[in-house]
Amino acid sequence: GAVVSQHPSRVICKSGTSVKIECRSLDFQATTMFWYRQFPKKSLMLMATSNEGSKATYEQGVEKDKFLINHASLTLSTLTVTSAHPEDSSFYICSARNSQINYGYTFGSGTRLTVV
Amino acid sequence: GENVEQHPSTLSVQEGDSAVIKCTYSDSASNYFPWYKQELGKGPQLIIDIRSNVGEKKDQRIAVTLNKTAKHFSLHITETQPEDSAVYFCAASKGNTPLVFGKGTRLSVIA
Repeated sequence: GAVVSQHPSRVICKSGTSVKIECRSLDFQATTMFWYRQFPKKSLMLMATSNEGSKATYEQGVEKDKFLINHASLTLSTLTVTSAHPEDSSFYICSARNSQINYGYTFGSGTRLTVV
Repeated sequence: GENVEQHPSTLSVQEGDSAVIKCTYSDSASNYFPWYKQELGKGPQLIIDIRSNVGEKKDQRIAVTLNKTAKHFSLHITETQPEDSAVYFCAASKGNTPLVFGKGTRLSVIA
């Protein structure tokens, strides 16, 4: 079955530093990947849609300069949280859409980011 | 845009009983309705999905029903087991658009 690998699973960083999260589709091509943020005991909130070879589309209220998304290949999208602050602490989850299958969405295992 | 409402927010059942979670959606153009199970600290795992050309789908103890006219769909879990305890999310999309999630249901199965 389709597998999406997300790394790291957990990261702690200092305020002001940047953190990169990777999302890889291991056995399929993903022209589109989605990045979600989830607060404790809350639902998944879409942050942005990432398309291979083009700029990401950000949801309203999401700062594109803080959350940099790069989708340089058909199997890899990255989310970089720049100049992180404690309020950026959250659970970040990526999802890759299988280009060859209709309705094929596969989620990564998530990244727990803690900014101290 | 699409709005998905999910009820109840919490649900406790005795082991062996059935659990039902209901969702409604607003966009009649949505045609794909998956259900995800999320355990603590992990990403969502697809447990079952249904497309708009089907009214019901079953996979062992899990079933989903869809009423396109009323724009609601439901998850049914029979013979619940303690390992079914988790947070369940419904979602909707048009197939090539991002999934829009409900707010989740925390299911507790009491042994």
